[in-house]
Amino acid sequence: QSALTQPASVSGSPGQSITISCTGTSSDVGGYNLVSWYQQHPGKAPKLLIYEVTKRPSGVSYHFSGSKSGNTASLTISGLQAEDEADYYCCSYATTSYVFGTGTKVTVL
Amino acid sequence: EVQLVQSGPEVKKPGESLKISCKGSGYNFSNYWIGWVRQMPGKGLEWMGIINVADSDTRYSPSFQGQVTISVDKSISTAYLQWSSLKASDSAMYYCASRGAFDTWGQGTMVTVSS
Repeated sequence: QSALTQPASVSGSPGQSITISCTGTSSDVGGYNLVSWYQQHPGKAPKLLIYEVTKRPSGVSYHFSGSKSGNTASLTISGLQAEDEADYYCCSYATTSYVFGTGTKVTVL
Repeated sequence: EVQLVQSGPEVKKPGESLKISCKGSGYNFSNYWIGWVRQMPGKGLEWMGIINVADSDTRYSPSFQGQVTISVDKSISTAYLQWSSLKASDSAMYYCASRGAFDTWGQGTMVTVSS
């Protein structure tokens, strides 16, 4: 059960859109519609942004959106804001438990 | 308020045992799975395992099978993560998470193992 693969870093200017990819296998990302995304600011607990590939919990900004194609899931942040600078982790159900992605540091230029 | 409150920071020596806790409140604790997540200093998140509070069905991630024990006492809405013999490499922040797609997280418990 290997970690899902994410780019180490992604950057963008305020107002731009960025996309973070999350690549797994048919045993995790590709096999279930149970991909979620978490945001983590330094020194803080992770916060759920997206669950079941595309769903947003109550209170999460509409400028976060999720999608999936085959074994790769994606998180898009539209209209990048300074407060979006954080680490982002994807997560997928994988047969009997869960697996996280390697994490992506988002920098707002 | 829906929340998970974890026990405080721990400083232990290699070879010692440890049990940390995670207490839920503000929701029906027994209706959900609880998971434990490790974050080593400066590193990413790792799922350790999950437990179904209703029946204690427990699943461990392969890397943590046999290394830790996850348990729950639903009568006091508390989940536990324990080690029988700590190693320096167990030094990390540990989070519990629960509810649905794990939308509720504890504040984390810092564990330091050093001689």
